[in-house]
Amino acid sequence: AQRVTQPEKLLSVFKGAPVELKCNYSYSGSPELFWYVQYSRQRLQLLLRHISRESIKGFTADLNKGETSFHLKKPFAQEEDSAMYYCALPYSSASKIIFGSGTRLSIRP
Amino acid sequence: ETGVTQTPRHLVMGMTNKKSLKCEQHLGHNAMYWYKQSAKKPLELMFVYSLEERVENNSVPSRFSPECPNSSHLFLHLHTLQPEDSALYLCASSQDRRISYNEQFFGPGTRLTVL
Repeated sequence: AQRVTQPEKLLSVFKGAPVELKCNYSYSGSPELFWYVQYSRQRLQLLLRHISRESIKGFTADLNKGETSFHLKKPFAQEEDSAMYYCALPYSSASKIIFGSGTRLSIRP
Repeated sequence: ETGVTQTPRHLVMGMTNKKSLKCEQHLGHNAMYWYKQSAKKPLELMFVYSLEERVENNSVPSRFSPECPNSSHLFLHLHTLQPEDSALYLCASSQDRRISYNEQFFGPGTRLTVL
């Protein structure tokens, strides 16, 4: 069955420290994964997606099929990165998607 | 207003009431979605509409009834809800229904409380 796991509910790091938000998935096909972010008092919005191979706001995510992971990384955290981050997996038909439970990232000054 | 709007932003209703949530998108998109976000569960996709046709219904109880009169508007009609239906209901839209390729744009949500 399709599944997305974000093992950390809360991650707290100091400003300038590296950040890694974990996402593991279970999917029998070739996955296309997303990271969505929700800043305080803002809407849920797309941060980046695997298919685009892009870096947004300094964040990158690499699909590791061997480890079935799509961890989100940033080398130097900034205070404005504090937010709720969700990993998401579209699957099966074109219109299904499941979200992880989310990780709250808190950046300490 | 631009983007995806939802009304009302907050709703309190009794279990015997009938109410409706409204979503409107101003992005020219062809697909619209209803999600449920409750405190103890991940974000759950409820319904998907593509060009006003329902294409997905993810085992949602019949007390939730969606309606999509045109590609810009989406409603969620509520009747005889249960307290466990209390949650944040999010609407989203995308260019088309291919979620793997299209970014979804979310509304601010309606906070629903069922007494």
